[in-house]
Amino acid sequence: EAQVTQNPRYLITVTGKKLTVTCSQNMNHEYMSWYRQDPGLGLRQIYYSMNVEVTDKGDVPEGYKVSRKEKRNFPLILESPSPNQTSLYFCASSSRDSNTEAFFGQGTRLTVV
Amino acid sequence: AQSVTQLGSHVSVSEGALVLLRCNYSSSVPPYLFWYVQYPNQGLQLLLKYTTGATLVKGINGFEAEFKKSETSFHLTKPSAHMSDAAEYFCAVSERTYKYIFGTGTRLKVLA
Repeated sequence: EAQVTQNPRYLITVTGKKLTVTCSQNMNHEYMSWYRQDPGLGLRQIYYSMNVEVTDKGDVPEGYKVSRKEKRNFPLILESPSPNQTSLYFCASSSRDSNTEAFFGQGTRLTVV
Repeated sequence: AQSVTQLGSHVSVSEGALVLLRCNYSSSVPPYLFWYVQYPNQGLQLLLKYTTGATLVKGINGFEAEFKKSETSFHLTKPSAHMSDAAEYFCAVSERTYKYIFGTGTRLKVLA
């Protein structure tokens, strides 16, 4: 089954404690992205990757890092989380084919206290 | 720059009534347009998409949308609402498949 898998689904952490949210896709997609969803703001792109070792900032990259060492994995790293990063995070993957859509993971609800 | 506007953050309809969720976009190039649905505690599921070709697009669960270039709109409709349609709906525009611009979402409530 084609899917994007994120872990963990829920995470509560304290300010300043480094964390990583993992994302893996099994569709051999070139593109992967991270979005955050906040009430009234919809989804906003944090970072994206067009291929292995190729990453770039999205619209709200401050406070986040990513890496793309393997095609299937695209972890999101918060080196020093702050309460304003409390949000619902989604990983997405898509093909280079412009006629296709993005596939989303189930989401990670992060609370920073 | 691309943008998406969804009119109405909350929409309520009676079961069996027409569902109309509005989406307007701006794009400097011919856009690719999408509607996604999000059920509680779940990810985003594609309802339908417009890339090229026929401007009336049919999706899953009886939904459809029409791309109207002159009105820069891509409204989502369903002739008869069902209780299971209660969810949040997102319109999105994309020029490249690695970047989507989402609207702020419309939460649909279906009244018995």
